[in-house]
Amino acid sequence: EPEVTQTPSHQVTQMGQEVILRCVPISNHLYFYWYRQILGQKVEFLVSFYNNEISEKSEIFDDQFSVERPDGSNFTLKIRSTKLEDSAMYFCASSKSPRILTENSNQPQHFGDGTRLSIL
Amino acid sequence: DAKTTQPNSMESNEEEPVHLPCNHSTISGTDYIHWYRQLPSQGPEYVIHGLTSNVNNRMASLAIAEDRKSSTLILHRATLRDAAVYYCILRDGYGGSQGNLIFGKGTKLSVKP
Repeated sequence: EPEVTQTPSHQVTQMGQEVILRCVPISNHLYFYWYRQILGQKVEFLVSFYNNEISEKSEIFDDQFSVERPDGSNFTLKIRSTKLEDSAMYFCASSKSPRILTENSNQPQHFGDGTRLSIL
Repeated sequence: DAKTTQPNSMESNEEEPVHLPCNHSTISGTDYIHWYRQLPSQGPEYVIHGLTSNVNNRMASLAIAEDRKSSTLILHRATLRDAAVYYCILRDGYGGSQGNLIFGKGTKLSVKP
């Protein structure tokens, strides 16, 4: 079964440094998402991406964050200047498009196993 | 997205059925009911979703109340591998919306051998 893959599995970075988290969504999926989970807390939505642009973002996703689909397979999350509070598990997810955009439907989101980001 | 209410935790014995409840009294007509689970040290995993009718797949069954204000995820025979946090999430499906998931605290299911 196709999977969402994320690299690296663990990233350790000094505070203030830039970090890029990488994801390879499932190949025929068109919607992409980033979520994060601080240790012991809920999974929180960061951003969704469709048709090469951000479709939704949360309050967490401030100017320090950016996303990019640099080629046909990768989807990246960049944090420009990391802070201690950015330490968390970051999950990428992807989903298909509905067959007809006007129909009421929901496609499941498929998640990767995450990147553990540790800021020192 | 409308809010859901789930018990914080439940226990089950291995090889017995498990019924995980979810209340969603403010559900709207276009909200789909989704269930995800998160095994320890893994990302969330899709389990099942439905709109009005009961649904079955290889992982579980979803029973939806007639008024849609509650639903129950049914694991027919719990295994140790089913120990996870289970999330009940409502998502608007109007116009093909594929919006983000809003996770609550979920129900932590423990399975005893």
